[in-house]
Amino acid sequence: QVTLKESGPGILQPSQTLSLTCSFSGFSLSTSGICVSWIRQPSGKGLEWLATICWEDSKGYNPSLKNRLTISKDTSNNQAFLKITSVDTADTAIYYCALTTGFDYWGQGVMVTVSS
Amino acid sequence: DVVLTQTPSILSATIGQSVSISCRSSQSLLDSDGNTYLYWFLQRPGQSPQRLIYLVSNLGSGVPNRFSGSGSGTDFTLKISGVEAEDLGVYYCMQATHAPFTFGSGTKLEIK
Repeated sequence: QVTLKESGPGILQPSQTLSLTCSFSGFSLSTSGICVSWIRQPSGKGLEWLATICWEDSKGYNPSLKNRLTISKDTSNNQAFLKITSVDTADTAIYYCALTTGFDYWGQGVMVTVSS
Repeated sequence: DVVLTQTPSILSATIGQSVSISCRSSQSLLDSDGNTYLYWFLQRPGQSPQRLIYLVSNLGSGVPNRFSGSGSGTDFTLKISGVEAEDLGVYYCMQATHAPFTFGSGTKLEIK
């Protein structure tokens, strides 16, 4: 059974670095063809793909966030991570991780609020 | 970036009515590997997106067969043949052929 669960700080201040963790089970990020993505959704708005990491450590980023994103993984502990630097209020959103091989499994999402 | 234009933005339907949602892409979504990475999702209120359709027309596991997807190149359609109350929510198309992956702006399905 595949499950994913996001965790994060809840609230942080502008200019800080946001660190998110996706803990998953039912698959391994060391298996050929497996990738995990981060997607976010501001309240009442649409979905935005942020980044993807794959089994062989290839990575893709949304250029709209320029160089603020870093995605990584810990294969041994079945986790994927996303860091966003220099956050501001526009980064307030629900952040999801999803099994990208088909996008058929998503986490429940974690709400992140950027506020001074 | 690939722009996906979804229409309509709001759809009001009665139970049992058949409806369609259009998703038009700013460029062809046919990948060099022969696949077209076009997906459809339903996001019910307060829930994560749920995949309905993958690779244009393949029904996701556990998804009722009243949902169907069609299209090619730049024009795609999601059809619901006989809307049920549980179908209310926002429908999104998404493309994963071209980086960055992009989503349509969503179609809100309301039940009359």
